[in-house]
Order: sequence, then C-alpha cells, then structure tokens
Amino acid sequence: NAGVMQNPRHLVRRRGQEARLRCSPMKGHSHVYWYRQLPEEGLKFMVYLQKENIIDESGMPKERFSAEFPKEGPSILRIQQVVRGDSAAYFCASSPAGASNQPQHFGDGTRLSIL
Amino acid sequence: DQQVKQNSPSLSVQEGRISILNCDYTNSMFDYFLWYKKYPAEGPTFLISISSIKDKNEDGRFTVFLNKSAKHLSLHIVPSQPGDSAVYFCAASANRIQGAQKLVFGQGTRLTINP
Repeated sequence: NAGVMQNPRHLVRRRGQEARLRCSPMKGHSHVYWYRQLPEEGLKFMVYLQKENIIDESGMPKERFSAEFPKEGPSILRIQQVVRGDSAAYFCASSPAGASNQPQHFGDGTRLSIL
Repeated sequence: DQQVKQNSPSLSVQEGRISILNCDYTNSMFDYFLWYKKYPAEGPTFLISISSIKDKNEDGRFTVFLNKSAKHLSLHIVPSQPGDSAVYFCAASANRIQGAQKLVFGQGTRLTINP
C-alpha cells in the first residue's frame, strides 16, 4: 500500500495519559500535515512539518501537544496529559517536496477516545 | 472565523441526475481549491482541484467551477451514482505564500444519491 499510513487506527487513553499517533507519508513525499476533526465538523489544521523541521504549527495548542518528523521514521503527534476534549479523529496528510498546487493525500486517521 | 463555508449540511439527489455542491470563501489570498470525498471511518479522498488562474476544471464525471469575484466554487457530479453518497469537503490554501500550504476546510455536505 503506497498510501499514507496511520497507526493506530483506534486509541483509547485515560485522562492524564499520553497519546502517540504515528504517520508514514506516501512514498516520495516529504511534507506532512496533521489535522483534527471533531464530530460533525470539518478538519482543522494543526501542524505542517518537513523532515526535521516544523514549518507551521499555528493550529496546534501551545500546551500538551507536540509534533516531530525525524530524518528516519514516521511523523509523530504527541499529546501529553490527555483530557476529554482531545477525543477526536486525527488525520495525517502528505504531499511531495516543493509542491505547489499539488493535492495533499490523507491517511485513514486515528480515532482517539479519552475515558 | 469560518474562512471556508459550505452552507448546505446535506443534499439529496436522484440517481442519474446532476449533483451540485457549493462552497464560499472569504480569504482573497486563497489560490488553490480542492474537493475531497469522505466515507465514514476513512480519510478524505482527493477528488479534483482548481488553481485560481482557471475558472473550470473537469475530470470525468466531476467538474469544479471557480468564480473569484464572488469567492465561490462549486462541484458538479453528473451523472450521480449511488457510490457518490458520502460527505464532501471543500478546502482552500494560499500556495503563493511560502509555508502556507495548510488546507482550510469547510464543514462538509452530506450527499445522498437515491436510486
């Protein structure tokens, strides 16, 4: 499968625990984007990364949330000390390097549930 | 501040007829527009896009129209098929601005194709 791969598909955490969401971009893509979707809403941008660099994190909460895209391995979205309001579907998308007017392609998301 | 709006939460169309989904935007810096289709428990699937230098783009049964003066775009699906039943998201980005490739999504329109 050459598409964007996200895991896990479903993640259950108790309040106060940490959640780690992983994303492997499409082959040949070096730009990764994370979005969050609350029930009955559209997707909201969180963070845009290139390899080893955060380009735009304007949509990410200042506290408890962090993201990385290391030189080797998948991109990781990390949520520390989760709260009930973090329950959502988290989608990752990727696009080619230097892309202008190239669509982002999405993974199937991680559904995060906080007990 | 909803920069991309889809004012119809739902739309029902007879199989074989034309489906028209609408989207309005407010940010004049947007220069690239996309439509995505989403099934439950899956990620958004890219359908078709249009650059602001064009007013129409066609791909098979899907055509996107852009009216820059009205800040309005629409997606036409003809003929509509039962498999087209899904939630459709309009999205926009300001690609001319370095590092601003993040997508801004509308709230989505649920399309139902009736046999």
